[in-house]
Amino acid sequence: DAGVIQSPRHEVTEMGQEVTLRCKPISGHDYLFWYRQTMMRGLELLIYFNNNVPIDDSGMPEDRFSAKMPNASFSTLKIQPSEPRDSAVYFCASSLGRSDTQYFGPGTRLTVL
Amino acid sequence: DAKTTQPPSMDCAEGRAANLPCNHSTISGNEYVYWYRQIHSQGPQYIIHGLKNNETNEMASLIITEDRKSSTLILPHATLRDTAVYYCIVRVAQGGSEKLVFGKGMKLTVNP
Repeated sequence: DAGVIQSPRHEVTEMGQEVTLRCKPISGHDYLFWYRQTMMRGLELLIYFNNNVPIDDSGMPEDRFSAKMPNASFSTLKIQPSEPRDSAVYFCASSLGRSDTQYFGPGTRLTVL
Repeated sequence: DAKTTQPPSMDCAEGRAANLPCNHSTISGNEYVYWYRQIHSQGPQYIIHGLKNNETNEMASLIITEDRKSSTLILPHATLRDTAVYYCIVRVAQGGSEKLVFGKGMKLTVNP
């Protein structure tokens, strides 16, 4: 298996622009997680899905952030409008079940100028 | 908030065993201890997890004290590629959802 796939790997954009990050979980995994990592706050869980349904979005920082999972093999995290403080590395992870090991993707490094 | 405390950093000589400590004094009876590591610029990588008994896999061993208030991750023969930030995590179950709460972790540097 290719593992969790994320795209793009790097994104540089200007403040106010819309940013869309993409994730393909490991085939057969029914849990998908979005994390954000910064120097100041470390690794934080933003939202997670089970069978394409959002279960817990309490970590989503504000309304500018939204996440969708239209099918079992694809999820997006969108920021609109983006701000410089959104600059971070965003990771996607998936797991087979609720209690199972999470496998992380390589991350998307976002820079908002 | 993370339920674990780790020293901020540790050095180890290449080829020697690296013993990484973790305190989790408030752990509940049904909570697991997980270890992940993050090599620079990569996503976190699962290492091992356990509940009560000691565990071993191809990467490492996990020793959990009898009172479960602390644990040690052992890398038996550290290599330069083991240099990373290691996270000790207690998997929290809250209201039907389960989360991995990452703390600051511990930077392990393996020296030649």
